[in-house]
Amino acid sequence: DIQLTQSPSFLSASVGDRVTITCRASQGISSYLAWYQQKPGKAPKLLIYAASTLQSGVPSRFSGSGSGTEFTLTISSLQPEDFATYYCQQLNSYPLFTFGPGTKVDIK
Amino acid sequence: QVQLVQSGAEVKKPGASVKVSCKASGYTFTSYGISWVRQAPGQGLEWMGWISAYNGNTNYAQKLQGRVTMTTDTSTSTAYMELRSLRSDDTAVYYCARNSGDYWGQGTLVTVSS
Repeated sequence: DIQLTQSPSFLSASVGDRVTITCRASQGISSYLAWYQQKPGKAPKLLIYAASTLQSGVPSRFSGSGSGTEFTLTISSLQPEDFATYYCQQLNSYPLFTFGPGTKVDIK
Repeated sequence: QVQLVQSGAEVKKPGASVKVSCKASGYTFTSYGISWVRQAPGQGLEWMGWISAYNGNTNYAQKLQGRVTMTTDTSTSTAYMELRSLRSDDTAVYYCARNSGDYWGQGTLVTVSS
C-alpha cells in the first residue's frame, strides 16, 4: 500500500505569510495527487488535483507542484479564511485511495 | 447544482450494524463512482472504499474488508454504506464523495456506545 506523510503536522503563521506544506509518497505516484482543505465541522474541499491543477473557484493564491514522490501545496499570501487543516490524497492506486495525516495551519 | 445529501445521525450499540445513505442529484449518477471517507473525533480522514455507480464494482480499504458493504440504487441515485460488527472506534463522521473529489455529502455522525 502507498503511504503518505505530510510535513509539518502543525504550522503557525500570520496573515500575509507564504506557507508551504509537503506531502511525500512511499512510492512514485506520478501526478496522481490531490489537496484538500477542511475546516472544523465541515466536509473537505478540493483545492488541487493532478498535483498542480487548481479546482474551479479556488483562489489563485493556492498552488501545487511536484511529481513522483514529493509534492508541495503553497499558499502565496495566507488569508484569515485559510486557517484550516490540509490533507493530501493519492489517486495512483485507483481505486484504492489514501490520505495523508494532515497539516493544521493555525494563527500565530 | 450537484448535491450529495446524507442520512441523519445514528447511535448504535457495539456489535450492531449501521447503513448510511447518500442521495445524489444534479448530475448523471452512473457517470461517477462514490467514495466513502470517515473521520473519527479529532482525527484525520480515512478512505474507506469506493463503488462504481455504473456497474457496482467495489474496492474496500483492507482494514474494513469483511465488515463493510457499499451498494448503489441507480433508480433513486442513492449510494449506501453498511458497516457491521460496530466497535467504539467506529465512532466517526462518515462522508460520501463523488469520485472526482469535487462534491461531498454533509457527513453523518455515527456514534457507537453501550
